[in-house]
Amino acid sequence: NAGVTQTPKFRVLKTGQSMTLLCAQDMNHEYMYWYRQDPGMGLRLIHYSVGEGTTAKGEVPDGYNVSRLKKQNFLLGLESAAPSQTSVYFCASSYTAGVSNQPQHFGDGTRLSIL
Amino acid sequence: KQEVTQIPAALSVPEGENLVLNCSFTDSAIYNLQWFRQDPGKGLTSLLLIQSSQREQTSGRLNASLDKSSGRSTLYIAASQPGDSATYLCAVGTGANNLFFGTGTRLTVIP
Repeated sequence: NAGVTQTPKFRVLKTGQSMTLLCAQDMNHEYMYWYRQDPGMGLRLIHYSVGEGTTAKGEVPDGYNVSRLKKQNFLLGLESAAPSQTSVYFCASSYTAGVSNQPQHFGDGTRLSIL
Repeated sequence: KQEVTQIPAALSVPEGENLVLNCSFTDSAIYNLQWFRQDPGKGLTSLLLIQSSQREQTSGRLNASLDKSSGRSTLYIAASQPGDSATYLCAVGTGANNLFFGTGTRLTVIP
């Protein structure tokens, strides 16, 4: 009963390095999301996907790229990491959006520090 | 832009007390409202989802209400237990793909 799985769980990067965060869901959900959570702020949407091969920008997309090559996977990339991207990153998925009774299911998060 | 506020930011209560957590939002044009629980170092667990056409939802000792016209929701926890200690997040769904979160209420239930 895996649900939403995020890898890695922790990572430390140096400024300017690149990395990719992986999100995998086994619930056959169409919609997937990437959020960041910072102290004193609510979770904010970075990018989302409404299906395989599609992506779109959320509230705070700058400095990130995403890809959804397979329905079950959603990748978040940092091309040139900056200290401002130090955060906890959460992936979520749902069957659909715009249908009011479908909750989002969340992974356990990736804690990323940029030095 | 939708703004979601949760008050109080932190709350401590003795075990057994009933308590209410508050959430307010600025735009009443919502699809739904979700309450989540977040344990330290963990992800979010969905507790209750209230559709925009509903007034309340119940699950066990939890009851969530929604008043769209006033932009408010409450989460009522009955007979609190130490295991209820966590951060509770309110999130408003305002469109096909946007979920706006409050900053949460950190609850501590003292044995």
